[in-house]
Amino acid sequence: DTAVSQTPKYLVTQMGNDKSIKCEQNLGHDTMYWYKQDSKKFLKIMFSYNNKELIINETVPNRFSPKSPDKAHLNLHINSLELGDSAVYFCASSLGNMNTEAFFGQGTRLTVV
Amino acid sequence: AQKITQTQPGMFVQEKEAVTLDCTYDTSDPSYGLFWYKQPSSGEMIFLIYQGSYDQQNATEGRYSLNFQKARKSANLVISASQLGDSAMYFCAMREAGMYSGGGADGLTFGKGTHLIIQP
Repeated sequence: DTAVSQTPKYLVTQMGNDKSIKCEQNLGHDTMYWYKQDSKKFLKIMFSYNNKELIINETVPNRFSPKSPDKAHLNLHINSLELGDSAVYFCASSLGNMNTEAFFGQGTRLTVV
Repeated sequence: AQKITQTQPGMFVQEKEAVTLDCTYDTSDPSYGLFWYKQPSSGEMIFLIYQGSYDQQNATEGRYSLNFQKARKSANLVISASQLGDSAMYFCAMREAGMYSGGGADGLTFGKGTHLIIQP
């Protein structure tokens, strides 16, 4: 009974392709996020959704488009993949108030070749 | 300016010793929360401990405690009696109240992490 699950765990693809990463949480949380962890392990928020509404859209190329069909799902679609998109992408969810932790998925390691 | 600073890129500690991982933060928001996460080599992010800006007591969770010094804007993680399984990356993170009601949707701002290695 995984709390936050994202698929796939590994994704290897060629430059220029379009790919999606799926995320689902069964915790009943209102808020979901996408984070990017670069090769130096630095984690940075990309997007935040609350009840399917986009709250945060950090400075991310518009090739990245999140989609939230319902509050339990937040998928990440990436168009025209570039070498620099190679990273680990984490989905997370939380109750949406300040003092509660975020629960992270296991991460998706994206490698663009 | 960095909002979260972790000054120790790497640390080696003998097993069973106590460990202090440093974290300083920068915010002008009076309402914020501080979090520590552990990332073992397997890659998952594991929540360890939370401290709210208005909390009077330092947070503790088992072998983890948070040395919160508000005036100095520091939130150091203390691991007592370290174990080999504590070897991992440790991240300090902050959530500010922000513009969104409750602040929860604002996400976490992370430090660059400390790579802790426990030696037998």
